[in-house]
Amino acid sequence: GAGVSQSPRYKVAKRGQDVALRCDPISGHVSLFWYQQALGQGPEFLTYFQNEAQLDKSGLPSDRFFAERPEGSVSTLKIQRTQQEDSAVYLCASSLPRQEDSNQPQHFGDGTRLSIL
Amino acid sequence: AQSVTQLGSHVSVSEGALVLLRCNYSSSVPPYLFWYVQYPNQGLQLLLKYTSAATLVKGINGFEAEFKKSETSFHLTKPSAHMSDAAEYFCAVSEGSGGYNKLIFGAGTRLAVHP
Repeated sequence: GAGVSQSPRYKVAKRGQDVALRCDPISGHVSLFWYQQALGQGPEFLTYFQNEAQLDKSGLPSDRFFAERPEGSVSTLKIQRTQQEDSAVYLCASSLPRQEDSNQPQHFGDGTRLSIL
Repeated sequence: AQSVTQLGSHVSVSEGALVLLRCNYSSSVPPYLFWYVQYPNQGLQLLLKYTSAATLVKGINGFEAEFKKSETSFHLTKPSAHMSDAAEYFCAVSEGSGGYNKLIFGAGTRLAVHP
């Protein structure tokens, strides 16, 4: 089935390196979310896109984190000058637009496990 | 701000026993509530969602949850546990504004099922 696809599944980087994580949402899903899941914790919201517009980046922990979705489909989360505390699983989710009296469920990818040495 | 509290980070049950995973939420408006399951090295899979249509919500794999406004609870239950139910379970509330909803998750409950 055509679910949310994330790559790479695993990424190991040295402290100070830049990394880029990719998310390919379900076709037709205009809403795209990024979450960060630290070990033993629930996911925490990072940022939201509606098509190509980044409408909410309130959860990005620092200016080293940058996300884009230039054509309203594939999204990339970039982390510059990585630090050990960036080690986590990064989850991408997509959904249809919110409806007035309902709430579209978010469909999650399998995540990218990032380890910073 | 909305929040979710999951009581019990670890729950262990015998195969065939009742599963009860607790979730309490804090919200100033009628909430949208969700339960997700996460298997090792996988993303989150939606079990069920509450959207005010009915207080008792049935989900996949035999799970159900009951919304109790007076208790601000949305506990997840399954009458008979199966070995394949062993996983991490997350309760989430949807916080929405501006035409989209971001999820606020609890810390999760790890369910172990033993023979």
